[in-house]
Amino acid sequence: AQSVTQLDSQVPVFEEAPVELRCNYSSSVSVYLFWYVQYPNQGLQLLLKYLSGSTLVESINGFEAEFNKSQTSFHLRKPSVHISDTAEYFCAVSVGGNTPLVFGKGTRLSVIA
Amino acid sequence: DTGVSQNPRHKITKRGQNVTFRCDPISEHNRLYWYRQTLGQGPEFLTYFQNEAQLEKSRLLSDRFSAERPKGSFSTLEIQRTEQGDSAMYLCASSLVGQGFHAGNTIYFGEGSWLTVV
Repeated sequence: AQSVTQLDSQVPVFEEAPVELRCNYSSSVSVYLFWYVQYPNQGLQLLLKYLSGSTLVESINGFEAEFNKSQTSFHLRKPSVHISDTAEYFCAVSVGGNTPLVFGKGTRLSVIA
Repeated sequence: DTGVSQNPRHKITKRGQNVTFRCDPISEHNRLYWYRQTLGQGPEFLTYFQNEAQLEKSRLLSDRFSAERPKGSFSTLEIQRTEQGDSAMYLCASSLVGQGFHAGNTIYFGEGSWLTVV
C-alpha cells in the first residue's frame, strides 16, 4: 500500500524568505501526486498536481513542486512567501490517478512578519 | 459549478446519539468520497462511491458507520451510537472520472462537517 511522509510537521519562515515543504511517498507502481492547502476551518484546496510529462509543476500563486522518481519525492517550494501563505499543506498520492487519495499528516507553514 | 456542499457544518451531540451528515457533490461528478480528519492529522479515507455503487470501504469505517448514495447524486454518512473518538471533521469530496485522462484526476473537497461528541 502506498504511503506519504511529510518530514516536517511545522515550518516557520519569515516573510519574503524561500520555503521548501518536503514530501516523500512509497509505492512500487506509477503514482500521481498532489499538494493541497487548507486554511483554518476550511476544506482542502488543490494547489498543484503531477500526472505526467514535465516533472516540474507550478501553481498560479507562485508555488512549484518537482517530481523526483529516483528519490520518490515531491517537495513543494516557493521562492518568496507571504503572510497569506500561512496554512496547512498536505501532500497526497493516488495510484493510477483514479484511486482515493492517500494523504500525509500535513505541514503547518507559519509566515512571520 | 457551486462546489461541494456539506451540511451541517457543525454538530455537537451527546455520546450514544446518532448523527447524519449530507454531501452534495459538484453537479455531474460521478465519484464521491468521504474522509475523516482529526486535529493535527491529514485526512483519512473512509469510503467512496462511483455513481450509486460503494466501491471501497476503509477498515476505519466500523459497523457504526454507514454511507449511502441512493441516486448517484448526494450522499449521507450516518454514525450510530456516537463515541467521543468519533469527534473529527468529516470531509466530502467529488471528482469526475471516465471522461478523459486528466478530467478524472482532480478531487474537489467540501468545507467539512465538524462533529463534537460530548
